[in-house]
Formats: sequence, structure tokens, C-alpha cells
Amino acid sequence: AQKVTQAQTEISVVEKEDVTLDCVYETRDTTYYLFWYKQPPSGELVFLIRRNSFDEQNEISGRYSWNFQKSTSSFNFTITASQVVDSAVYFCALSEPDSGAGSYQLTFGKGTKLSVIP
Amino acid sequence: GAGVSQSPSNKVTEKGKDVELRCDPISGHTALYWYRQSLGQGLEFLIYFQGNSAPDKSGLPSDRFSAERTGGSVSTLTIQRTQQEDSAVYLCASSSGRTIYNEQFFGPGTRLTVL
Repeated sequence: AQKVTQAQTEISVVEKEDVTLDCVYETRDTTYYLFWYKQPPSGELVFLIRRNSFDEQNEISGRYSWNFQKSTSSFNFTITASQVVDSAVYFCALSEPDSGAGSYQLTFGKGTKLSVIP
Repeated sequence: GAGVSQSPSNKVTEKGKDVELRCDPISGHTALYWYRQSLGQGLEFLIYFQGNSAPDKSGLPSDRFSAERTGGSVSTLTIQRTQQEDSAVYLCASSSGRTIYNEQFFGPGTRLTVL
């Protein structure tokens, strides 16, 4: 079973529409961190947000917002009023304390490719 | 530089040859990671360095893969006797500390093509 599941492989929206990218994770740890990264066509992964397992407050940053729900093991990402520049592959990732020799390596989902059509 | 840099950006090699991929982390970052991104497998962890030590090599797919880090800075990932299934983008990331919350900053990657 995948530890991080991004069920949506590809999404297309028209500019200015809102879009939500889903992320479901699996862990036995009580302390863990969740991340979202953006990978634009240029290829470089860009950090967007970090959320710890004890903080379930939703977060908003400009047009971006994140909804973390431990009860459903989900950490969804919403882009409001999407723009063409939002077109990218978005990855959800999990960091666990027992990931191996204290490496805190990131376990990534398969990614969701978002295309925003003008 | 301000970010993580990797070289070369692209590498084409013939099956059976050895390749070396280089990563320059952000200055002062003690943790360094190598990941591989391929179409079939997504983003996979390969190896983790804390300083010059590699306490977690659990992601290396075979003994053809090795990595080292010197001076707590530059790291080299070596793939011996390359195979076509090694074709992927190899990403390096660094972070400022050995904690669960430190975000990892990624380099642009090296695209490896094995013919």
C-alpha cells in the first residue's frame, strides 16, 4: 500500500476556476510532517508548505489554502482563482521520524499534473 | 550559490558505462539527500547524508549505486555499469538540520539517459 496517495493523476481547469488536489497518507507515527511541493515545467521542485501532525489549523497563503484532517488522514490543497502559471505537477510528501536512521526522508505521492487552460 | 546546484544537467551514456552525478548543496546545510524521479516509480529516496556520513542508504536500488560526500558539502552519486532502467532524473536536496520539520530544498536535477 502506498504511504502517500494522490488519486488524481491529471486535472485540467479553466483559468479562474478553483481546484482542489487531494492527498491521503498513511503512517503509524503520531509525530510526522506533511509537505506540498510544486514542480513546474522547468523541473525544479519548489517547497510550498509544511504541516506538523499536531496542527490541524487550515492555512491560507494568497490563493493557496491547505486543509489538514487527521481523522481522514488527508492533506488537501486548494488553489483559488487558478492561473496559467499554476500549471505544474504537485507532490504531496510525508516525513516520519522512523523513516530510517533518522533521515526524515520524504515519501512522495505520485503527483498530480495540473493544467490551467487560458 | 543561493540554491542547490547539480551537474551535469543532462547526461547521455551507453549501457555498461559508469557515470558520476554531482550535487552542491546550499552552504551550511548539513543534511543532503538523493532522490530519483522516473516515469514508472515517481520520486524515490536513494540515500541520505548527515555531514560526510551516510546513515541511510536504504533506497539505493543495487550495489551498482554508490555515493559519497566530502567536506560536508559536495556529493557525488556514482552509477556503475549503467542499465537502461537507470534512466531517470536524479534530484539532490539539502536541508539545514537533522529534524523532521526541516524542508528540503531541491536542485534542478540531472537527467540521465542510458542508451
